Amino acid sequence: QQQVKQSPQSLIVQKGGIPIINCAYENTAFDYFPWYQQFPGKGPALLIAIRPDVSEKKEGRFTISFNKSAKQFSLHIMDSQPGDSATYFCAASSTGNTGKLIFGQGTTLQVKP
Amino acid sequence: NAGVTQTPKFQVLKTGQSMTLQCAQDMNHEYMSWYRQDPGMGLRLIHYSVGAGITDQGEVPNGYNVSRSTTEDFPLRLLSAAPSQTSVYFCAARGLGNTEAFFGQGTRLTVV
Repeated sequence: QQQVKQSPQSLIVQKGGIPIINCAYENTAFDYFPWYQQFPGKGPALLIAIRPDVSEKKEGRFTISFNKSAKQFSLHIMDSQPGDSATYFCAASSTGNTGKLIFGQGTTLQVKP
Repeated sequence: NAGVTQTPKFQVLKTGQSMTLQCAQDMNHEYMSWYRQDPGMGLRLIHYSVGAGITDQGEVPNGYNVSRSTTEDFPLRLLSAAPSQTSVYFCAARGLGNTEAFFGQGTRLTVV
């Protein structure tokens, strides 16, 4: 069973656009929600993360919006650039079992010049 | 600053062969995990470990074994390779609490 569901699978935007990637989770014990960025041939790397006591977190051009009641969270990329073209993964884990980081299916983003 | 090191980077196996994917970390992190990455499936957890001597199954453990005799090393063993195990495998290390997971560069495995 997929505990974290991510959409869309792929996304194409023009430079300067605002791509939005959505994730939904089932396990209410999850209390940590990171986003990872992966470039071709590389391992994923942490981009930004949020905990459920806040509804939004911004780091540079990247923003996470979190809706605890709906069990959903999303990544927004402001003023997207061709260098943002990558695969993005949402994930979730719980304090009681932090050895287990569960990922979504991934979104391949292409930002056209 | 090596972080997480995986070997080999590429491997081709014949069906039925066995092999071990190596993973080593130099960050003294307690948690280590193995994932496989397949198109449209994301990163799926195979096995994980919360410390030396302690391992547990993830979402897709069948056909794989792990052990954790030291904090640094977490090898993944394929007992009898099958074409369905063709994938890119990633090892990750993570510290205590909800913290950043650090990934290796991956091993691309093809089973023919």
